[in-house]
Amino acid sequence: EVQLVETGGGLVQPGRSLKLSCVASGFTFNNYWMSWTRQAPGKGLEWVASITKSGGSTYYPDSVKGRFTISRDNAQNTLYLHMNSLRSEDTATYYCTGGVYTYYGYNSPLFDYWGQGVMVTVSS
Amino acid sequence: EIVLTQSPTTMAAYPGEKVTLTCRASSSVSYMHWYQHRSGTSPKLWIYETSTLASGVPDRFSGSGSGTSYSLTINSMETEDAATYYCQQGSSDPFTFGSGTKLEIK
Repeated sequence: EVQLVETGGGLVQPGRSLKLSCVASGFTFNNYWMSWTRQAPGKGLEWVASITKSGGSTYYPDSVKGRFTISRDNAQNTLYLHMNSLRSEDTATYYCTGGVYTYYGYNSPLFDYWGQGVMVTVSS
Repeated sequence: EIVLTQSPTTMAAYPGEKVTLTCRASSSVSYMHWYQHRSGTSPKLWIYETSTLASGVPDRFSGSGSGTSYSLTINSMETEDAATYYCQQGSSDPFTFGSGTKLEIK
């Protein structure tokens, strides 16, 4: 059974940092792109970051680029999201997701596996 | 950035009714993925590569489309299909989601 278990959420002040972790089991972790996706209260889904199987490449939308860093430890089957300079608009449930889709040799994240989510609240 | 516009924003259907949800892209994409999100649970991959049902998805669901216009269809609405459905494109970075269609049962 595939399991993704996120930890590290909580209440943090604006401008501070927070690190999320996601431990994976039930699938071959280093065969999958991994990503973080979030949902702000009352809003839709937003892609936050993705990392390739080896960790050699990372991708971010402009909303978090330069502030968030995704990384992985394939030996520990663990995904991370380091979040710096947090803003109130980063308040959301953060989901660890796994999957990759290949189309004519071009890879992109496919959000096939999902964790239960972890809440991050940015407020003073 | 490719913007995905879903319509309608909200809708309600009777059990047994045929339902079609639409996703329009601001630029042409090669395929579309769809996710189902029921309240209080994590989202699930529902349809990938435009028309392939994810594991466990009932065959009353189907997906179609090309270019800038894609759709998800339910042949006969059931109570358990009430959820928010999101489209998502992977053709171009950033990998964007639509704003979702909330589907309710009448």
